[in-house]
Amino acid sequence: QKEVEQDPGPLSVPEGAIVSLNCTYSNSAFQYFMWYRQYSRKGPELLMYTYSSGNKEDGRFTAQVDKSSKYISLFIRDSQPSDSATYLCAMSASIVDFGNEKLTFGTGTRLTIIP
Amino acid sequence: NAGVTQTPKFQVLKTGQSMTLQCAQDMNHEYMSWYRQDPGMGLRLIHYSVGAGITDQGEVPNGYNVSRSTTEDFPLRLLSAAPSQTSVYFCASSYSAGQETQYFGPGTRLLVL
Repeated sequence: QKEVEQDPGPLSVPEGAIVSLNCTYSNSAFQYFMWYRQYSRKGPELLMYTYSSGNKEDGRFTAQVDKSSKYISLFIRDSQPSDSATYLCAMSASIVDFGNEKLTFGTGTRLTIIP
Repeated sequence: NAGVTQTPKFQVLKTGQSMTLQCAQDMNHEYMSWYRQDPGMGLRLIHYSVGAGITDQGEVPNGYNVSRSTTEDFPLRLLSAAPSQTSVYFCASSYSAGQETQYFGPGTRLLVL
């Protein structure tokens, strides 16, 4: 079993809809959680970074962590065609220092927003 | 700022050939790293550097060499390419040790026949 599971999609939703993207994980030590957005033929870019449980909001994006269920979510409100991309989750057990801790990535969910 | 640049964008190699993937950044970042991205596997760290002259292995270092002679450049060398090294390679740089601060380049698509 992979440490981080992410539904690859593809997921297609109409413009303006609320999108929910999810990852589950098996390592209960994970407490730092990230969401990256990756446009086609581009590198990933960090969208959200959260620590431990709870919610974090940034504009139309909300990241949610439920450590008891080992489940994290990214919600996109009022989705736009420009949100069409692959979304990667990533997580770590401690502050991610190259020398001490690795960042474990999900495989990504491909999202298309239909105008 | 150009950010993180990678060349070439795409390369085809035959098994056993060697090549160097180039990576450069103009943000004066100390930390640089190389990842590979494979379908169904997620991003995996190959090698990283915490400053000029200092490199270390990541999760999947076998078959790859790196060196860091300047702050700006961090090339990745494939010594003898194998089909298993067919992948998309991303270089990243960051201003701190925290991997969450990384800026990724646009990637190099490598096909090994």
